[in-house]
Amino acid sequence: DVKVTQSSRYLVKRTGEKVFLECVQDMDHENMFWYRQDPGLGLRLIYFSYDVKMKEKGDIPEGYSVSREKKERFSLILESASTNQTSMYLCASSPTDSYNYGYTFGSGTRLTVV
Amino acid sequence: AQSVTQLDSQVPVFEEAPVELRCNYSSSVSVYLFWYVQYPNQGLQLLLKYLSGSTLVKGINGFEAEFNKSQTSFHLRKPSVHISDTAEYFCAVYSSASKIIFGSGTRLSIRP
Repeated sequence: DVKVTQSSRYLVKRTGEKVFLECVQDMDHENMFWYRQDPGLGLRLIYFSYDVKMKEKGDIPEGYSVSREKKERFSLILESASTNQTSMYLCASSPTDSYNYGYTFGSGTRLTVV
Repeated sequence: AQSVTQLDSQVPVFEEAPVELRCNYSSSVSVYLFWYVQYPNQGLQLLLKYLSGSTLVKGINGFEAEFNKSQTSFHLRKPSVHISDTAEYFCAVYSSASKIIFGSGTRLSIRP
């Protein structure tokens, strides 16, 4: 089974802190994605990556950056955490032909910024 | 660009009753459709997918969905639900460049 592992299930950080959310997949997938999920707003794409060192902005990239130095790892960085970034963050991965397989998601990280 | 609309934000049903969760997609030449389930405090899990061929697709946990091209719909059904089916369900469509577009979700609540 493909596994997508997010390093933390729950995280509490202070306003202004730099926050790193880590995601690792073990099936050699080319594509990786970061979403945030908020009640009533569904899933919103923050950033995605098609390959190592490649990244593209999604629908809501402001306040976030990403890093993909190795194929299996995709990190989401909150440069200076703010309370409006309190949310559930979901990482996903897929092979290049995602239309055939869909995405595989991690279990999510629930981030609270205080 | 592709899009999906989930017509109901919440669906309450009694245990052992049938359920249908509705999904409509924007029309396109080639359509690849998915249903995902999200249990509380977990990530999304693939229930089933439609790529081509038979319009009736069977998935895990007794769910099935029917692809209807003329009505641009991909409704999810289960003949008899259990308490354990309580979750949020997302319809999704492949867009382009490896991106999948998700609907806003339907929260299924099961009453004993």
